[in-house]
Amino acid sequence: NSKVIQTPRYLVKGQGQKAKMRCIPEKGHPVVFWYQQNKNNEFKFLINFQNQEVLQQIDMTEKRFSAECPSNSPCSLEIQSSEAGDSALYLCASSLWGVAETLYFGSGTRLTVL
Amino acid sequence: GQQVQQSPASLVLQEGENAELQCNFSTSLNSMQWFYQRPGGSLVSLFYNPSGTKHSGRLTSTTVIKERRSSLHISSSQTTDSGTYLCALVNNAGAKLTFGGGTRLTVRP
Repeated sequence: NSKVIQTPRYLVKGQGQKAKMRCIPEKGHPVVFWYQQNKNNEFKFLINFQNQEVLQQIDMTEKRFSAECPSNSPCSLEIQSSEAGDSALYLCASSLWGVAETLYFGSGTRLTVL
Repeated sequence: GQQVQQSPASLVLQEGENAELQCNFSTSLNSMQWFYQRPGGSLVSLFYNPSGTKHSGRLTSTTVIKERRSSLHISSSQTTDSGTYLCALVNNAGAKLTFGGGTRLTVRP
């Protein structure tokens, strides 16, 4: 069973507001992924980290999101200025070696932007 | 086009029936994973299966690389199996998972 913890479970924001969500990866897992799942069940990769370093991110993340994985603190993903199209389930996953082995997902943060 | 396609998109079973879910991919494969997503969101890893056949209880995953497909077989389905089943692959070009569209399974009592 996954021990990836995501908070908050639900988040409601107005357009233009910041939206911040957090993820505690499984203990000992240095690799962390963030995915966005929209209402059509489509997954979009956002960013991944190894320890505190960003490995990959998409343009949208680089331009509109702030993300970090500090040592000894939860990882975080923050939308700087929420848009209606950001409403989605944000899933965090961790693993020991990246995607070459099983990823363990948290329960997600469901963001609604009004 | 889509790199990962799942079929069927939805499936309704009576409890006790078996199910075969398919995942076809158009790119070269580095790894394949199957997940179960509960209603409400959380994803549970079922199999990490880049090739061959793996078993876990009533579940069996078979990946045939040269045919670019992977399947998930559920035997003797139960109502608690209801949810969405997702396959995800990593190809040799990247280090992130690409998900299929999922199969939404409903098992009726």
